[in-house]
Amino acid sequence: GQNIDQPTEMTATEGAIVQINCTYQTSGFNGLFWYQQHAGEAPTFLSYNVLDGLEEKGRFSSFLSRSKGYSYLLLKELQMKDSASYLCAVIEGNYQLIWGAGTKLIIKP
Amino acid sequence: SQTIHQWPATLVQPVGSPLSLECTVEGTSNPNLYWYRQAAGRGLQLLFYSVGIGQISSEVPQNLSASRPQDRQFILSSKKLLLSDSGFYLCAWAGTESQPQHFGDGTRLSIL
Repeated sequence: GQNIDQPTEMTATEGAIVQINCTYQTSGFNGLFWYQQHAGEAPTFLSYNVLDGLEEKGRFSSFLSRSKGYSYLLLKELQMKDSASYLCAVIEGNYQLIWGAGTKLIIKP
Repeated sequence: SQTIHQWPATLVQPVGSPLSLECTVEGTSNPNLYWYRQAAGRGLQLLFYSVGIGQISSEVPQNLSASRPQDRQFILSSKKLLLSDSGFYLCAWAGTESQPQHFGDGTRLSIL
């Protein structure tokens, strides 16, 4: 069956680096998205990976390994405003989008 | 550029009352449109999606329905709300199934 696993919650310190992992088991694969969702707000798109490797976008980077069914989102130079939930979503072979439950990231000063 | 509008932002309704939430997209043609519900502290649950006018696919059987009367308009409805319908409702659009979805600001629905 289809499944996406992310840690429920993580805590990190302002200025540090944090890596949020996502593992998936799906029927086929056509890409993976990362979204950020602040409390009480809608998700906003962060990154897209379809090929293996690292995609860098400013302080945020996303990595994909299709053979391992694994992705991570790397956040550098953490700021208080990065406190949010981070959602991993996978496009299956039939183009259905499967969402993870999200990782709540708490940033401490 | 493309924009998505969703209203109202908050809504308080009594049990058994009807519901109509509207979502419109600007700046694109024939988008894929989606309705999600998110319970507090939980992930996104896909309710309906549409790939064209009058084409609605339902993911979860329930007392909600969706309609797409125009290319860039998506409406979520209910004839009689239940307490369990409370939640954060999100509309989203995407160019194709392999492109990222972009969300409206959401409607927080409370049923009393």
